[in-house]
Amino acid sequence: DIVMTQSPHSLTVSLGERATINCRSSQSLLYTSDNKNYLAWYQHKPGQPPKLLIYWASTRESGVPDRFIGSGSGTDFTLTINSLQAEDVAVYYCQQFYTPPPWTFGLGTRVEIK
Amino acid sequence: EVQLVESGGRLVRPGGSLRLSCAASGITFSSYTMSWVRQAPGRGLEWVSSMSKSGTYIYHADSLMGRFAISRDNARDLLFLQMSSLRVEDTAIYYCVSQTPEGVPLGHWGPGTQLTVSS
Repeated sequence: DIVMTQSPHSLTVSLGERATINCRSSQSLLYTSDNKNYLAWYQHKPGQPPKLLIYWASTRESGVPDRFIGSGSGTDFTLTINSLQAEDVAVYYCQQFYTPPPWTFGLGTRVEIK
Repeated sequence: EVQLVESGGRLVRPGGSLRLSCAASGITFSSYTMSWVRQAPGRGLEWVSSMSKSGTYIYHADSLMGRFAISRDNARDLLFLQMSSLRVEDTAIYYCVSQTPEGVPLGHWGPGTQLTVSS
């Protein structure tokens, strides 16, 4: 199974500042046939279901604010939240869908306001 | 708008069985892979099971040791998860999740249903 390693485990950022979350996969998530990285990012707030933010490593889901930016390729990926807002407090997960299941998640990064 | 509504979660004794259901609307249900994902208390997200649109391909997490079975009824836009030999560690919120038109397998999530396994 592909192992997803996220860092840091938690992050405290001031309002308006930048949050950066890293995700590394145990094997490349880049399909050379379509040049897509099969990686997604989710935002999970307490009492709500997870929400898809980013897919193909860098494509924002419809309605997601442009302060959320996904980047990276192969085995190393980053979710950047520019100008952090109070409503961005959540746990963020990366997840690979490169192979048929099992689809695996990182352990999550908790983002809080300083 | 895609709506997924899970039901069936409740308190069950260890060793018991339960079937979860998920009713879908706002999507052409028979066109998409459907999945179950769970979150145990204080833990992260864990993929559980998936079934392809026609039911040809079925996948379950190895950790389940064959105790769970996913199924679907495309005529009624329903997804199921039959769970048996339940353990305390199966206690979790279970989410029904649909693929997106772009092919992202875990795109739309239901609000979840709580399963508690306890004596």
